[in-house]
Amino acid sequence: DQQVKQNSPSLSVQEGRISILNCDYTNSMFDYFLWYKKYPAEGPTFLISISSIKDKNEDGRFTVFLNKSAKHLSLHIVPSQPGDSAVYFCAASEAGANNLFFGTGTRLTVIP
Amino acid sequence: GAGVSQTPSNKVTEKGKYVELRCDPISGHTALYWYRQSLGQGPEFLIYFQGTGAADDSGLPNDRFFAVRPEGSVSTLKIQRTERGDSAVYLCASSLSGMGTDTQYFGPGTRLTVL
Repeated sequence: DQQVKQNSPSLSVQEGRISILNCDYTNSMFDYFLWYKKYPAEGPTFLISISSIKDKNEDGRFTVFLNKSAKHLSLHIVPSQPGDSAVYFCAASEAGANNLFFGTGTRLTVIP
Repeated sequence: GAGVSQTPSNKVTEKGKYVELRCDPISGHTALYWYRQSLGQGPEFLIYFQGTGAADDSGLPNDRFFAVRPEGSVSTLKIQRTERGDSAVYLCASSLSGMGTDTQYFGPGTRLTVL
């Protein structure tokens, strides 16, 4: 039972354009959401997070949007750079819990 | 500073054998997590330690899996009577205090292959 879903296994974007990665969840108890980035042969690296009391969080080129009514979040990267090419995982946790539930990942390729 | 380290980076074993996977968390981090990532999937939670004690082991798939953290730092994940379905990348993460919003920092993982 996949509680966090990333329905696009891959995405290709031209350098300089916007990358939009999407994530849906089913568990209404989730109150904290994160995006992790993963390069080959490395562990996931924390990128950005958002609490359920917000609908947007921005950090430099990265912005995460949360739509609680739709149980949907998205990560926007603008402008996209070739170094952003990686697998991006969406993750979520319930209030007071410590374990993260991950999606299956989206492989982003930024074409120079 | 040093990040989370895991050894070995790769482990190949035969079905039925016993394996141990080691995790060295970031110094000073009291919380430690084990996840398992199968091919084409995201990481799946296995167990969470707060200090020396396993605060949540609800993700361990069965009693062949066991983990310890005797001194509140290094942790070992132990798998008995390995099966081919145990083949995966085993990821360890640590966080400063274990609060839900603490950032979890991941190691590079141990790729386990059971033949």
